[in-house]
Amino acid sequence: SAVISQKPSRDICQRGTSLTIQCQVDSQVTMMFWYRQQPGQSLTLIATANQGSEATYESGFVIDKFPISRPNLTFSTLTVSNMSPEDSSIYLCSVRLRGGTTDTQYFGPGTRLTVL
Amino acid sequence: SQQGEEDPQALSIQEGENATMNCSYKTSINNLQWYRQNSGRGLVHLILIRSNEREKHSGRLRVTLDTSKKSSSLLITASRAADTASYFCATGLETSGSRLTFGEGTQLTVNP
Repeated sequence: SAVISQKPSRDICQRGTSLTIQCQVDSQVTMMFWYRQQPGQSLTLIATANQGSEATYESGFVIDKFPISRPNLTFSTLTVSNMSPEDSSIYLCSVRLRGGTTDTQYFGPGTRLTVL
Repeated sequence: SQQGEEDPQALSIQEGENATMNCSYKTSINNLQWYRQNSGRGLVHLILIRSNEREKHSGRLRVTLDTSKKSSSLLITASRAADTASYFCATGLETSGSRLTFGEGTQLTVNP
């Protein structure tokens, strides 16, 4: 397994501002993902964070709104830009371990974002 | 469209009883995974079952997979109040690499 941390754990932000969420893993991973979970809903994949290249976004999500960086094998950031109340959600990163023989994904504790 | 659908949406049982949650999906999968989420926190991985497996056990958990019916079930035996959480199935599709598609989840409440 892996130990995954996210910062911040929660934040309350004003409309129109941006927030950058960090995801740190204690071991090298092959793949990192960012999910959004709106209140009372299931998880929706935002994008796959690729090391050294642009993230791969899912339908309905764009780089201008959710820019992602992944400078190395253990760290990634997700920025929620120009926020509106509709962006209030829990944002979670997940990883697939390097050298792993299964497809198991491990999740961070999440960042609870409230936009006023 | 959402790949996984779970039922029931909510389940309330007494401590000591068994809880069964079901998940259905629509396309061919590589694997199906079950996760638990406590009160809007991060997800905890419970168990993974591959498309060529029919049943898997882990402690008080039993997962079955029926690829002909495109469905899976999660059974928690001898439930405890600490099992109260939301449970999600997630499918890894043949065509999507490592990406997971999550079901809507079942909210389980175990009453002491």
